[in-house]
Amino acid sequence: EVQLVQSRTEVKKPGESLKISCKGSGYTFTTYWIGWVRQMPGKGLEWMGIIYPGDSDTRYRPSFQGQVTISVDKSISTAYLQWSSLKASDTAMYYCARRAYGDYLDYFDSWGQGTLVTVSS
Amino acid sequence: DIQMSQSPSSLSASVGDRVTITCRASQGISSCLAWYQQKPEKAPKSLIYAASSLQSGVPSRFSGSGSGTDFTLTISSLQPDDFATYYCQQYNTYPLTFGGGTKVEI
Repeated sequence: EVQLVQSRTEVKKPGESLKISCKGSGYTFTTYWIGWVRQMPGKGLEWMGIIYPGDSDTRYRPSFQGQVTISVDKSISTAYLQWSSLKASDTAMYYCARRAYGDYLDYFDSWGQGTLVTVSS
Repeated sequence: DIQMSQSPSSLSASVGDRVTITCRASQGISSCLAWYQQKPEKAPKSLIYAASSLQSGVPSRFSGSGSGTDFTLTISSLQPDDFATYYCQQYNTYPLTFGGGTKVEI
C-alpha cells in the first residue's frame, strides 16, 4: 500500500526556521516525483513545487521560489519542505503528494495526511 | 499561469441526485485535467485524471468529460459519502493550478 506520512503539527514564531517531512513507503520512492501543496485556512489548494527523488531535480512555482526549499533524502525515502524565516502568512496546512507515474501525468495520485503549520507571535 | 475556474462554488443536493460541476481553463489544456475530492480536515483524494479516466478504486458513479477549456465532473447518484469539496487541477503547463473548489452540501 502506498503511504505518505508527514511530520506532526508545528507551532512557530515569526522569523523561526522550520523543516517538515514526508516519508514514502509501499513503492519505489526514487521513481516518483513528490509535490508540495499549500492550503491556507478556509481556502483552496495551491501547488508549491515538486522534486524528483532520483536526482533531486526540483521545480518551484515562481511565487514560492526563494521562499521555501524542497529537498529529499532518498536513503530514507523522505522529502522535505523548509523555511529559513517564517511569516504569519505561512500559516497553512501543507500536503505532500505523489505525482502519478508516466509521461504527461502531472497530477497527484496519493497524498500525505497533511502538516499544519501555525506561525504566531 | 493558467487560471482554473469552477462553478458553482457551492451547491445543495440530496442523496440520489445527479450532480454536475464545471471547470473552465483560461486557455486550452487538452485533456490534462484531474479532479479531487476533499472532506473536512482530510487530505484530497484523486478521483479522475486525463479528464475522464477513473482513478483505481473510485466508484463508477463518478465520471468526467471535456477537453480544451471546458470540463465537467458528474456524480450520477449522490451518496452520503460524497458530501465534500471538489477541486479540478490542470497539468498541461507548469505551474500546476487548481480551481477554487466546489462544496457539495446536503
